[in-house]
Amino acid sequence: DTGVSQDPRHKITKRGQNVTFRCDPISEHNRLYWYRQTLGQGPEFLTYFQNEAQLEKSRLLSDRFSAERPKGSFSTLEIQRTEQGDSAMYLCASSSGYGMGEKLFFGSGTQLSVL
Amino acid sequence: AQKVTQAQTEISVVEKEDVTLDCVYETRDTTYYLFWYKQPPSGELVFLIRRNSFDEQNEISGRYSWNFQKSTSSFNFTITASQVVDSAVYFCALSSNSGGSNYKLTFGKGTLLTVNP
Repeated sequence: DTGVSQDPRHKITKRGQNVTFRCDPISEHNRLYWYRQTLGQGPEFLTYFQNEAQLEKSRLLSDRFSAERPKGSFSTLEIQRTEQGDSAMYLCASSSGYGMGEKLFFGSGTQLSVL
Repeated sequence: AQKVTQAQTEISVVEKEDVTLDCVYETRDTTYYLFWYKQPPSGELVFLIRRNSFDEQNEISGRYSWNFQKSTSSFNFTITASQVVDSAVYFCALSSNSGGSNYKLTFGKGTLLTVNP
């Protein structure tokens, strides 16, 4: 499978716990994105990496959220002290382009439920 | 600021019917891209089409066709002779230079299409 893979597919946690998600982009894709999708809404941009550099974070991303992409390969998204409002689908996407209009390849997402 | 509006929340049709999904966008930029993505129950968004703001030619791909009209800021998507496998949530999205962030997609809320046998 050469697509974008995300792990785990589902995560149930209790409020206040920390969680970490992993995304493996398509090999050699230089750009990696995290989006968040809540029920009945379209995906919303969270953050973006160009190789290993995190170039932008949305104001949606509170201080409890942190993302990394060591060596420009896979990426992790960590949420500390989870809140019920963090419950959502977290989508990862990658692309090989350098400008506007590039096609994104999405993973199947990690569904987070905070109890 | 940029915005994408998909006014149809849900559409239900019977197999073989034609169906059109509406998309209206807002942007101050003259250069932008429009997209349609399909999200089946598995959750993975699948790219369907990309259009740049300078290309108003309509496009047909099999049973799918897209109508881009800058005059009305619309980029509508038509499925001809719908099939049960077309059942999914369809998202329209916009990418432009607004705010210096030309790599972000702004998505609409999506239209849930259900095709009944």
